[in-house]
Amino acid sequence: ILNVEQSPQSLHVQEGDSTNFTCSFPSSNFYALHWYRWETAKSPEALFVMTLNGDEKKKGRISATLNTKEGYSYLYIKGSQPEDSATYLCAFPNTGNQFYFGTGTSLTVIP
Amino acid sequence: GAGVSQSPSNKVTEKGKDVELRCDPISGHTALYWYRQSLGQGLEFLIYFQGNSAPDKSGLPSDRFSAERTGGSVSTLTIQRTQQEDSAVYLCASSLGSGRAFFQFYNEQFFGPGTRLTVL
Repeated sequence: ILNVEQSPQSLHVQEGDSTNFTCSFPSSNFYALHWYRWETAKSPEALFVMTLNGDEKKKGRISATLNTKEGYSYLYIKGSQPEDSATYLCAFPNTGNQFYFGTGTSLTVIP
Repeated sequence: GAGVSQSPSNKVTEKGKDVELRCDPISGHTALYWYRQSLGQGLEFLIYFQGNSAPDKSGLPSDRFSAERTGGSVSTLTIQRTQQEDSAVYLCASSLGSGRAFFQFYNEQFFGPGTRLTVL
């Protein structure tokens, strides 16, 4: 079983604040790193699939970076809005067909 | 467009009964995954299907769990003689896949809304 860790476990920020959280994964046998957003009562939705060391991806106010050599990815949210409130999951596929998910960071944006 | 659908959305059953959970993936997606999320836990891989190839069952927690995928499309996850520890949200996801090794790793997964299973 691979260890995919996310921190912090939960986060409360004020509307307008910027925030970031971390996903740590094994640095060997790297193929890709996925980020998903899971809003309450909805399905998890893909944010990014990152494949190259040094990758930086952006979608609106959300961006992510990737360091495969040290085994971490950061997700940044600029100017948080209440609709950003969700659990953010990272997933690390490895040899075999398994995706290993972290336990997520639960973000609450307070209006 | 049609996304991944799952049924039922909620299932309450008695310990010892069998249950069947259904997943309809996105048309054209050859890769299909089943996951479950137990209370306080992360998403746990259960089984992976790729086209008509033999499934990867390495994540199934016991022989009470089985899954099939008919015609490379709809999948059913069956849990026999349910136990209270089977209570969880069961999620299905599909993605583009191919016969090429690890191709599915580079494609985002599209998740269904899940089935919440409660075993009394």
